[in-house]
Amino acid sequence: EDKVVQSPLSLVVHEGDTVTLNCSYEVTNFRSLLWYKQEKKAPTFLFMLTSSGIEKKSGRLSSILDKKELFSILNITATQTGDSAVYLCAVSIIQGAQKLVFGQGTRLTINP
Amino acid sequence: ETGVTQTPRHLVMGMTNKKSLKCEQHLGHNAMYWYKQSAKKPLELMFVYNFKEQTENNSVPSRFSPECPNSSHLFLHLHTLQPEDSALYLCASSQGGLAGAYNEQFFGPGTRLTVL
Repeated sequence: EDKVVQSPLSLVVHEGDTVTLNCSYEVTNFRSLLWYKQEKKAPTFLFMLTSSGIEKKSGRLSSILDKKELFSILNITATQTGDSAVYLCAVSIIQGAQKLVFGQGTRLTINP
Repeated sequence: ETGVTQTPRHLVMGMTNKKSLKCEQHLGHNAMYWYKQSAKKPLELMFVYNFKEQTENNSVPSRFSPECPNSSHLFLHLHTLQPEDSALYLCASSQGGLAGAYNEQFFGPGTRLTVL
């Protein structure tokens, strides 16, 4: 059974801290790994990773994939209260058509 | 209007009602998806439509019935639901075909459904 596991499930830090969110997966027909941020309703896309060891970066956020060890991390530096959200990790697989298998999400709370 | 839109945003229905959720995408995509998001559970894929053909039914009960009249519109028809069906229902779209595996899915704002 395809599985994506995120840790921690919940994290509370102070503004300015650096956080690392983890995502491990066990799937067949892996194509890519995606990170989304969900604040109120619609998850918004952050990164897509297809190759090991190549860091994707956007401002204070960065992510990297390890296809040998089957995990990815999402780093957020100098956190701000606006970073508070649920961060979702999903793996794209091919099973007839494209499917996204999601993890449970990490609820990140940034306190001022 | 851009992106993926969903209506209604909130819906309260009794177990004997029939209602429909609507999703529309303005991104020129060819694949559309329905997901269910319940509290403390991962997003669950329900249905996939690829070039208007249903390619995935993830063991969803028949009280949920999808319809995809064209690549831009997706409906979810609801009939005799149970209270445990209360959840956020999210629609998404992406590039169709195998290329979709290398492109992100764009999500709508969701419909918050409560079944009494």
